[in-house]
Amino acid sequence: EVQLVESGGGLVKPGGSLRLSCAASGFTFSTYSMNWVRQAPGKGLEWVSSISSSSYSIFYADSVKGRFTISRDNAKNSLYLQMNSLRAEDTAVYYCVSCSAGTCYSNPFDYWGQGTLVTVSS
Amino acid sequence: EIVLTQSPGTLSLSPGERATLSCRASQSVSSSYLAWYQQKPGQAPRLLMYGASSRATGIPDRFSGSGSGTDFTLTISRLEPEDFAVYYCQQYGSSTRTFGQGTKLEIK
Repeated sequence: EVQLVESGGGLVKPGGSLRLSCAASGFTFSTYSMNWVRQAPGKGLEWVSSISSSSYSIFYADSVKGRFTISRDNAKNSLYLQMNSLRAEDTAVYYCVSCSAGTCYSNPFDYWGQGTLVTVSS
Repeated sequence: EIVLTQSPGTLSLSPGERATLSCRASQSVSSSYLAWYQQKPGQAPRLLMYGASSRATGIPDRFSGSGSGTDFTLTISRLEPEDFAVYYCQQYGSSTRTFGQGTKLEIK
């Protein structure tokens, strides 16, 4: 069974940093591309970032470019999101997401974690 | 960036009725790389449809999708109580994926 378990969320002050982690199991993590998707309280879904299986291709939404860094450790079956210079508008549930096809290039998101809440507030 | 606009924002219907949800793109979605997701309160989204008209694994056949180019539709033929939720469309044909703002399907 595929499992994606996010951790690392919490309360942080504006301008602060936080690192999210996602532990993957039930599939060959090293061959799957991965993504982060977020959802502000009561709002819709926003794709944040994606990383290919080898970390060769990385993309970011304009809203986080230059502040967030996605990375992965295939030996630990883990995905990360380093978030710096956090703003109130980054407050959201952050989901770890992947695709059963392996590559998310031209494939929909069908593996979702349960999410971790990040709150940016003074 | 492709902007997706969903309508209506809220749809109030009764169980047994037919629901029609719309998703319009600001530019053509390549190869119909358009998906629909269902989200219930406190849960992660679930993939319903992909490729505009293909049902994901385990999705009942009362759900159907259609469209191409810039106009797409999700239809639920006969609403069941468990279908009342928020629905999002998403394009995945570009490196920057985008979602629509969602349609809330509520019980009338």
